[in-house]
Amino acid sequence: SQQGEEDPQALSIQEGENATMNCSYKTSINNLQWYRQNSGRGLVHLILIRSNEREKHSGRLRVTLDTSKKSSSLLITASRAADTASYFCATGEYGNKLVFGAGTILRVKS
Amino acid sequence: DTEVTQTPKHLVMGMTNKKSLKCEQHMGHRAMYWYKQKAKKPPELMFVYSYEKLSINESVPSRFSPECPNSSLLNLHLHALQPEDSALYLCASSQGAGTGNLEQYFGPGTRLTVT
Repeated sequence: SQQGEEDPQALSIQEGENATMNCSYKTSINNLQWYRQNSGRGLVHLILIRSNEREKHSGRLRVTLDTSKKSSSLLITASRAADTASYFCATGEYGNKLVFGAGTILRVKS
Repeated sequence: DTEVTQTPKHLVMGMTNKKSLKCEQHMGHRAMYWYKQKAKKPPELMFVYSYEKLSINESVPSRFSPECPNSSLLNLHLHALQPEDSALYLCASSQGAGTGNLEQYFGPGTRLTVT
């Protein structure tokens, strides 16, 4: 079952611009995670934010979480061509499950 | 070593064949997962092993049979598959007892085509 809905479905920007992706979810969560997937490859974990946290940074990534609105956003600053990939949010539930959203396809043009 | 390896990278099999996918991690993780991913879709959880015991089976058809021989290895045995089973099969692992509050480390996947 799919928990997260991501917006936009696809995003095309120029190198150097910022990219923002949003994720909404339905039920209470323990944490929310963001993953990146290059074409046809495995997923790479980017960042995990717990339900009692509001913002987290990792390098050029900034993630926010608003549990009252059941939403999260991922901001990639100063994007590079190498950031071209699919980005998935995933909500962590108790009992060993991670449920992925539909994903945002990001294309960074050089 | 923070790597999850999967073999083979690509697999083509007929509907009457029996084959196996293999996954290995040496990070000391105690939970391992199989996901199925169709093109342009998110990964869908199939199975979870926690401390080498099957803890979650997401109502997967019996033509898929998981096995966890030890804490580092995870297999997925395939038999009598259908063309709609063609997909990217991803293995992942996480620390601890496989709780949903930990990051997962993914392998590169096996691209399976059923003819």
